[in-house]
Amino acid sequence: NAGVMQNPRHLVRRRGQEARLRCSPMKGHSHVYWYRQLPEEGLKFMVYLQKENIIDESGMPKERFSAEFPKEGPSILRIQQVVRGDSAAYFCASSNNYEQYFGPGTRLTVT
Amino acid sequence: RKEVEQDPGPFNVPEGATVAFNCTYSNSASQSFFWYRQDCRKEPKLLMSVYSSGNEDGRFTAQLNRASQYISLLIRDSKLSDSATYLCVVNKGSNYQLIWGAGTKLIIKP
Repeated sequence: NAGVMQNPRHLVRRRGQEARLRCSPMKGHSHVYWYRQLPEEGLKFMVYLQKENIIDESGMPKERFSAEFPKEGPSILRIQQVVRGDSAAYFCASSNNYEQYFGPGTRLTVT
Repeated sequence: RKEVEQDPGPFNVPEGATVAFNCTYSNSASQSFFWYRQDCRKEPKLLMSVYSSGNEDGRFTAQLNRASQYISLLIRDSKLSDSATYLCVVNKGSNYQLIWGAGTKLIIKP
């Protein structure tokens, strides 16, 4: 029974490039959440999705960031034209109730 | 006022001691409460749910005080491996979204 999968685990991008982060939820889970964590800081909520729907994107920056959770396939967090300040750990969690289970995260480094 | 507040610590505690953390929340309508732990550079992991009657899991005890809107976590006979950041988590509203505290850092010293 695989847990939440995220890939890649590490991603290096130059400023101005695009970053695509993938998250496959735990089997049977239809809710996906994306969080960002800067070094030595707490977890910051970004977006909450269900299949084909964005439920809450109040934590997502208005520009350059987008997320989707299609009917088939993983959830994708997309960051366009990355800047150094986007360097962080991005965690995905999934649930089918209030208990959220996390993937190992993607560490994005922007050079 | 933050929706979920925790003392950031760090709490420096000798091995074998008992340590307790509190967390306060602002939404009186919240119904679900959790403690997660996060090790350095790792993902948060669910430690335990917090039930109205309080619950215990081995050396860990969680309590909920609805009247005062706080949740507590007690760790008995602390081990070196308990060193981590402990995150207090509360449900946001009618959907499954959660509100996360900033965490309390615990360091167990030999």
